[in-house]
Amino acid sequence: QQQVKQSPQSLIVQKGGISIINCAYENTAFDYFPWYQQFPGKGPALLIAIRPDVSEKKEGRFTISFNKSAKQFSLHIMDSQPGDSATYFCAARISGSARQLTFGSGTQLTVLP
Amino acid sequence: ETGVTQSPTHLIKTRGQQVTLRCSSQSGHNTVSWYQQALGQGPQFIFQYYREEENGRGNFPPRFSGLQFPNYSSELNVNALELDDSALYLCASSSGAREDTQYFGPGTRLTVL
Repeated sequence: QQQVKQSPQSLIVQKGGISIINCAYENTAFDYFPWYQQFPGKGPALLIAIRPDVSEKKEGRFTISFNKSAKQFSLHIMDSQPGDSATYFCAARISGSARQLTFGSGTQLTVLP
Repeated sequence: ETGVTQSPTHLIKTRGQQVTLRCSSQSGHNTVSWYQQALGQGPQFIFQYYREEENGRGNFPPRFSGLQFPNYSSELNVNALELDDSALYLCASSSGAREDTQYFGPGTRLTVL
C-alpha cells in the first residue's frame, strides 16, 4: 500500500524556471519529511528535509512547503538549472525505532538549457 | 561523498539461486538500512540493522535476510531468487537508529534471469 503519493511523474522546465513537485501522505504518524535527489547510477542524496512543526524551510534554491492539515508537502526549485536534471523522491519517516523511510514513486525532472 | 560503499556494482543471477550483497557504512555509523528500488520506483525498506541486531523490517519475505558485523558493515542475502527480485539494492547508513539523516551508497544492480 503506497503511503506517500508523488506527482507529477515527470516534469520539464526551462532553465531559470520554477520546478514544483508535490507529495501527499495519509499516515499521521510520519514525523520527518526529506527530499532526495538521485542521478543515474547513483544512490539517493539528501537534498532538504522538514518536520511537521514547520510550514516552510528554505536552503538556497530549494524550498519545502508543508501543509499539515492537508497532509501535503512540496518541493520548489527556484531558478532551475540543467544540472538539476535528476529524479527527485519525497519520503516520510514513521516514528518508531527503525526510522525507516517510505518513499514516493519519484519525479523525473528535466531542465532544458 | 557519503562514504557508503557497496559491492558488487552489478550482478546477474538465475532464478532459484542465492545472492549476497555487501555494504560498508560510513565511518562512525552504527546503523545500516537496506532498500530495494525497482526500475522507475522509489526505494522500499527491507530491514535495518543497529549494533549487529535487526531493528525493524519491511514487507519482505524471510528469504531476504541480513547480517551486521562488529565493524558495522552489513550483508543482504536473498535466497531462492525470483525474477521480481531484479532491482537496485541500496544500503544507507546513519550514526544511530534514531538519527534523521541516512546516507545512501551507490547501490548494487541485481538482474535475475
